[in-house]
Amino acid sequence: DAGITQSPRHKVTETGTPVTLRCHQTENHRYMYWYRQDPGHGLRLIHYSYGVKDTDKGEVSDGYSVSRSKTEDFLLTLESATSSQTSVYFCATLLAGVNEQFFGPGTRLTVL
Amino acid sequence: AQTVTQSQPEMSVQEAETVTLSCTYDTSENNYYLFWYKQPPSRQMILVIRQEAYKQQNATENRFSVNFQKAAKSFSLKISDSQLGDTAMYFCAFMKTGANNLFFGTGTRLTVIP
Repeated sequence: DAGITQSPRHKVTETGTPVTLRCHQTENHRYMYWYRQDPGHGLRLIHYSYGVKDTDKGEVSDGYSVSRSKTEDFLLTLESATSSQTSVYFCATLLAGVNEQFFGPGTRLTVL
Repeated sequence: AQTVTQSQPEMSVQEAETVTLSCTYDTSENNYYLFWYKQPPSRQMILVIRQEAYKQQNATENRFSVNFQKAAKSFSLKISDSQLGDTAMYFCAFMKTGANNLFFGTGTRLTVIP
């Protein structure tokens, strides 16, 4: 499982509230990613990081921000949650050299 | 952006039989990677098999093998001797060399029938 944990695993929140999801890895991987999974869309990239304090946008970044202050943690923040952000969120890291991504267990977020 | 298409939303197979899941992709790149991920009801994403585009030989992992047709931009997954534990969503994914982020298809839900 590449030592990836996500917290919380489930969250229910209300529209307009801020939400932060945490991804923690123990393998010292440089690259980390946040994806969202929705029916009919597969997984889509939100943001990714290629090092401490180095981040970039993915395909569906609107309404999300990220931070990476240390190698092992990658935070995803919804500044003001909307119902369209109800989804399952996956964190992943990259095993460099073989270009394989390993995924965390996912966080199910429901915005009411 | 790269696109990955899985045209079979659902499939079923009898236990011990063989099933093939289809995937096509669109890219102008010459060097890239292709992957099949399995997502069982536990929701965990599990890498099943990978293929480097520069390799002509099809990848094989135990009961799982691929048919990679680069010119046709096709990457199908064959599961032999299907087992009940193979019941899951299967996602095809594309990674451009040097880019590292994955582009996923919409998935195929496979059910293995006892």
